[in-house]
Amino acid sequence: DVVLTQTPPTLSATIGQSVSISCRSSQSLLDSDGDTYLNWLLQRPGQSPQLLIYSVSNLESGVPNRFSGSGSETDFTLKISGVEAEDLGVYYCMQATHAPLTFGSGTKLEIK
Amino acid sequence: QVKLQQSGAELVKPGASVKLSCKTSGYTFSTSYMSWFKQIPGQSIEWIGMIYAGDGGTGYNQKFKGKATLTVDTSSSTAYMDLSSLTTEDSAVYFCARGLGAGWGQGVMVTVSS
Repeated sequence: DVVLTQTPPTLSATIGQSVSISCRSSQSLLDSDGDTYLNWLLQRPGQSPQLLIYSVSNLESGVPNRFSGSGSETDFTLKISGVEAEDLGVYYCMQATHAPLTFGSGTKLEIK
Repeated sequence: QVKLQQSGAELVKPGASVKLSCKTSGYTFSTSYMSWFKQIPGQSIEWIGMIYAGDGGTGYNQKFKGKATLTVDTSSSTAYMDLSSLTTEDSAVYFCARGLGAGWGQGVMVTVSS
């Protein structure tokens, strides 16, 4: 199975600060169809996960544009440009290029 | 508006089975995929499998083959997951999600205890 390694495991930020989360894959996530199926999700405390970004850099409908994704092959980054209070929770990267789908271990964002 | 409404919490005995439901609205269920996930509180998320509502075709994580069975009822736009031969290791929150995660149910806690 593909292993996704997320860093850092925890992140503490002030309101307005910009932060980045890294996700490294044990295999290339570039699919034979040319797409790269790496998504980012946020799970707020006590809630279901929410899709933020799909296919590396595409913003899901309704998600604020302070969220952005980048990367290729095995190295990916989620950036939040100007953290807001509602952004606290656990962020997961998820790959759907190789079966079975797998998730990173998560990055917990705390607000100072 | 896409909605996925899951059934209520379950308390089941070891060795028993349970059937979870996920009723959908706000999109065309019959031509969509539905995924199911497992999350032990405080831990990351595992993918159990996926079903295509159009023809009932399924794909499973090898880890959950024999444990989970996915089905759909297109007449009620509802997806189901049967979990069999339950053990304490199956105690977790289970989520349904549209496709690969573009819309999630609220989750259902399954507790396996004698």
